[in-house]
Amino acid sequence: GNSVTQMEGPVTLSEEAFLTINCTYTATGYPSLFWYVQYPGEGLQLLLKATKADDKGSNKGFEATYRKETTSFHLEKGSVQVSDSAVYFCALSDRAGTALIFGKGTTLSVSS
Amino acid sequence: KAGVTQTPRYLIKTRGQQVTLSCSPISGHRSVSWYQQTPGQGLQFLFEYFSETQRNKGNFPGRFSGRQFSNSRSEMNVSTLELGDSALYLCASSSNGEAYEQYFGPGTRLTVT
Repeated sequence: GNSVTQMEGPVTLSEEAFLTINCTYTATGYPSLFWYVQYPGEGLQLLLKATKADDKGSNKGFEATYRKETTSFHLEKGSVQVSDSAVYFCALSDRAGTALIFGKGTTLSVSS
Repeated sequence: KAGVTQTPRYLIKTRGQQVTLSCSPISGHRSVSWYQQTPGQGLQFLFEYFSETQRNKGNFPGRFSGRQFSNSRSEMNVSTLELGDSALYLCASSSNGEAYEQYFGPGTRLTVT
């Protein structure tokens, strides 16, 4: 079945550093890919998405490109802020297209 | 537009009891999905309802059940609670059930003692 593997955390960075969180997937067909963010004590917020190969999702300075040839959807940001500290989840849609399959999550901690 | 609301936000139950959690979707959304989040297993899909019908189901035992009402509000029930059911239960709504349109609520934190 479909599955997601993302890099283990925690990731600790200084403010204005470059961020990469790796995500690879296994899937049949052509799933949609997502990055969600969870701030402490809150639910999940959709950060960005891509629905087909070579699509680039972007939001709030974060970017990720749907790479079918490497089955990857790595999250990047050029300059992180303290307010970006959160848990980031990579996800893909299941074969039915109605459920999300999540990675284990990567905790990002940014210090000033 | 109001977001997805879940009640209660926190709940403590005893092993063997049953519990019902409630989710009110965004106005106009007809699909509600439920997820379980635990430190060990991460985020796992429970089930999805669309127009009062269960359309998709994850790999959970029959103790976990749900339903959706005509106003799209949804409830999930867990019977015969086990310690391992302690988790954050998240509800998500979407207009048509497509995964890329899901909006999540803040969750209900269930603790089983």
